[in-house]
Amino acid sequence: QSVLTQPPSVSAAPGQKVTISCSGSSSNIGNNYVSWYQQLPGTAPKLLIYENNKRPSGIPDRFSGSKSGTSATLGITGLQTGDEADYYCATFDSSLWFGGGTKLTVL
Amino acid sequence: EVQLLESGGGLVQPGGSLRLSCTASGFTFSSPVMSWVRQAPGKGLEWVSAISGSGVSTFYADSVKGRFTISKDNSKNTLYLQMNTLRAEDTAVYYCAKNAGLSTIDYWGQGTLVTVSS
Repeated sequence: QSVLTQPPSVSAAPGQKVTISCSGSSSNIGNNYVSWYQQLPGTAPKLLIYENNKRPSGIPDRFSGSKSGTSATLGITGLQTGDEADYYCATFDSSLWFGGGTKLTVL
Repeated sequence: EVQLLESGGGLVQPGGSLRLSCTASGFTFSSPVMSWVRQAPGKGLEWVSAISGSGVSTFYADSVKGRFTISKDNSKNTLYLQMNTLRAEDTAVYYCAKNAGLSTIDYWGQGTLVTVSS
C-alpha cells in the first residue's frame, strides 16, 4: 500500500487538458518535493516533473506540476495520442514512495 | 549521455538467489545516490533499495530487508543487488535508477525481469 493516492484512470480527448492528482500527508508531500514520471507501454519510467514544478530539459511545456499542502497535481495540455501512458507521482517519506499510478487514455 | 544497463535477471526457484548488476556511464558514478526500483507484472512502481555515492550507507524497503543487499563498485561503475531467499512476490522488472535528491529519480535503466517460480 502506497502513502500516495492517485486516481486509477483518467481520460480526455485529443487537444484537451487533463489533470492527475496525487494525495498524501504532512509527512510526505507536505514536507518534501514531488516528482512525476511517465511510463509508456513496455518502457521504463521517464522523469517529467521534479521539485514540484520543474521540467527536465526536453520535456515540453505542455506538462506542468503544482503542489498545495499535502496534494500535488500533474497537468497535461494539448493532449496527444502519444501521451497515453501510466503516470506516477513520487515523494520522500522516510524512503522514496510512488503513487499507485494513473492510466491516461486519450480518446 | 547517462546510460544505465541492467543484467542478471532470470528464472529462479523460490528460496533461491540471484545477483543483479547495473553498469553506469555518462556521469560521475561515485557521486549520486543509486537505487533499485521494481515493478511487478501489471502493478505500480516500488522502491526497493538505495545506496550512497560512497557505498557506505544503504537503505532498504521493509519488504526486502534482511534478504536483499545493495552494493556498488565505483572502480567498475557498477551497482549490484544481491537477492536471497527469493519469494514469488519478488517477481518483477527491476530497474536500476540514478537519484537526484530524496524525491527524484532522474535516470532509469531499461529493466531486467526476475521471475521466482517453481
